Amino acid sequence: NAGVTQTPKFRILKIGQSMTLQCTQDMNHNYMYWYRQDPGMGLKLIYYSVGAGITDKGEVPNGYNVSRSTTEDFPLRLELAAPSQTSVYFCASGQGGSTEAFFGQGTRLTVV
Amino acid sequence: RKEVEQDPGPFNVPEGATVAFNCTYSNSASQSFFWYRQDCRKEPKLLMSVYSSGNEDGRFTAQLNRASQYISLLIRDSKLSDSATYLCTGGYQKVTFGTGTKLQVIP
Repeated sequence: NAGVTQTPKFRILKIGQSMTLQCTQDMNHNYMYWYRQDPGMGLKLIYYSVGAGITDKGEVPNGYNVSRSTTEDFPLRLELAAPSQTSVYFCASGQGGSTEAFFGQGTRLTVV
Repeated sequence: RKEVEQDPGPFNVPEGATVAFNCTYSNSASQSFFWYRQDCRKEPKLLMSVYSSGNEDGRFTAQLNRASQYISLLIRDSKLSDSATYLCTGGYQKVTFGTGTKLQVIP
């Protein structure tokens, strides 16, 4: 079972570059989430989606964009990478706040 | 105020000890709560759900106190393999995590 798949697993970006972190799930979950986790810190919600075509901001959305054109995919876009965006990014899916969230393995991003 | 708050620890306990973590939440509309375990550099994985009536799974017990808006996790007879970060969640629609509590079980 694939579950939640994130690509790439690792990436180094230069300041000002852009990239898209990919996330796909095969569990037909309506809800999908993007979190970032800085070293020694907890998970901070960047954006979430409650279904195809619907997205909303989390705690730390600045510098990021998302789209949800299908149930399966929820890409996260960084337009102008900054060193402050160096972090581990986790994508997750579920059926809402009242159910378990399933996580991808994470993307480790370094901006230099 | 953060939706979910935890003591970040670290909690350093000897093997065999009993340790408890608390987590407070601010959104009274939150319906369900969970404890996740996160190993170093890995993704969080569900440890257990938290029900109003309490929930026990082997050495682990989770409880919910709606009146005081907190959830707790009790680990009995701690093992070295319990060393990890424990994250609580509460949410009405979106899943919001606490900062996590780091547990280190010492031989």
